[in-house]
Amino acid sequence: KNEVEQSPQNLTAQEGEFITINCSYSVGISALHWLQQHPGGGIVSLFMLSSGKKKHGRLIATINIQEKHSSLHITASHPRDSAVYICAVGISGSRLTFGEGTQLTVNP
Amino acid sequence: DTEVTQTPKHLVMGMTNKKSLKCEQHMGHRAMYWYKQKAKKPPELMFVYSYEKLSINESVPSRFSPECPNSSLLNLHLHALQPEDSALYLCASSRGSGDSYEQYFGPGTRLTVT
Repeated sequence: KNEVEQSPQNLTAQEGEFITINCSYSVGISALHWLQQHPGGGIVSLFMLSSGKKKHGRLIATINIQEKHSSLHITASHPRDSAVYICAVGISGSRLTFGEGTQLTVNP
Repeated sequence: DTEVTQTPKHLVMGMTNKKSLKCEQHMGHRAMYWYKQKAKKPPELMFVYSYEKLSINESVPSRFSPECPNSSLLNLHLHALQPEDSALYLCASSRGSGDSYEQYFGPGTRLTVT
């Protein structure tokens, strides 16, 4: 079992829909990161959180430390949100442990 | 300036060539990272430099040789690579080297080994 599990693996939505991507982890962590990777390759850090909830524009990230679970929500989705979303956790030292990613496609 | 730059964007090299990848940041970050990413897979950590010293080497083959000449610059020297080394190589930096620091990624160098 991977230490970080993401679901779903693939997600297709219509423009305007509310989207949720989930991340579960199996060990204690220092922080959880949500990353976005567009087809061109570059990775953008969306959020880093260790408790509670963060919001940036149409993106909201929540984490429940007791449940070892985090969600990334996208409100009013848009085709430009189409990307791979990756959950990564800090477990020890300098390493991040990555989930396998969620491929999101938003159709117009 | 919140940007990590990488050059070149694309690189094709033969198995006997020697080439280098370059990464630069001017955010005053003291930790820099090299990752390797294969298609449809998450990034795999290769090396971490903290305050210009190599702090983590994830058992990377010696045909990959990292170098950190100063706090803004990170190189990855490549020699005698194999076709299976073809991948996207990503550089990242963070303010500190703990896993609670946000990492800023560069656009990557897409490497093809022929």
